[in-house]
Amino acid sequence: GAVVSQHPSWVICKSGTSVKIECRSLDFQATTMFWYRQFPKQSLMLMATSNEGSKATYEQGVEKDKFLINHASLTLSTLTVTSAHPEDSSFYICSARAGGLAGRETQYFGPGTRLLVL
Amino acid sequence: GQQLNQSPQSMFIQEGEDVSMNCTSSSIFNTWLWYKQDPGEGPVLLIALYKAGELTSNGRLTAQFGITRKDSFLNISASIPSDVGIYFCAGRSSGTYKYIFGTGTRLKVLA
Repeated sequence: GAVVSQHPSWVICKSGTSVKIECRSLDFQATTMFWYRQFPKQSLMLMATSNEGSKATYEQGVEKDKFLINHASLTLSTLTVTSAHPEDSSFYICSARAGGLAGRETQYFGPGTRLLVL
Repeated sequence: GQQLNQSPQSMFIQEGEDVSMNCTSSSIFNTWLWYKQDPGEGPVLLIALYKAGELTSNGRLTAQFGITRKDSFLNISASIPSDVGIYFCAGRSSGTYKYIFGTGTRLKVLA
């Protein structure tokens, strides 16, 4: 159980185009999902918290108009990188919050999406 | 963004040896999670800790929630080549769903 998928697993696009990445919780419902960005040999940096049915909450320094997040259902969140530029090239990983007993929640990650902007 | 101090940063060990790594925070946490990440993959959850002093095992892995609630430890016994990867800790304070991640420990196992 607790499987999170991401699609696509990798994408190459031209500068100026937009790219959409999907994150799905396959066997559980997730009211909250998270989007991270990871540079080579570095840790995960939280970009935004995606809440089902409401606006995403962005971390300081993350442009909300650049990284559009939509959490339309309890199993799907999407991240759209608008007008992508080479500096947006990175490894993007989503995670889904899985609640258990009170206070015993955890977070499961998707396999990641590698974006290369030419 | 904020990150947790994780040590060691990297380690080379011989197959069969035990491994210890730790994570420290300036804040008190209610939950500690430990993950392993292979190259090009997303992190995989290894162990979740929810109570100060809690000691939890998952096969050859054992993790502990520090008594001060500001640190956590992960031990791997009798390491094998497939233990190679990057290990991340993550901590969460009360009142938030967000986790803060450690800087990672890169483990390499020599056969």
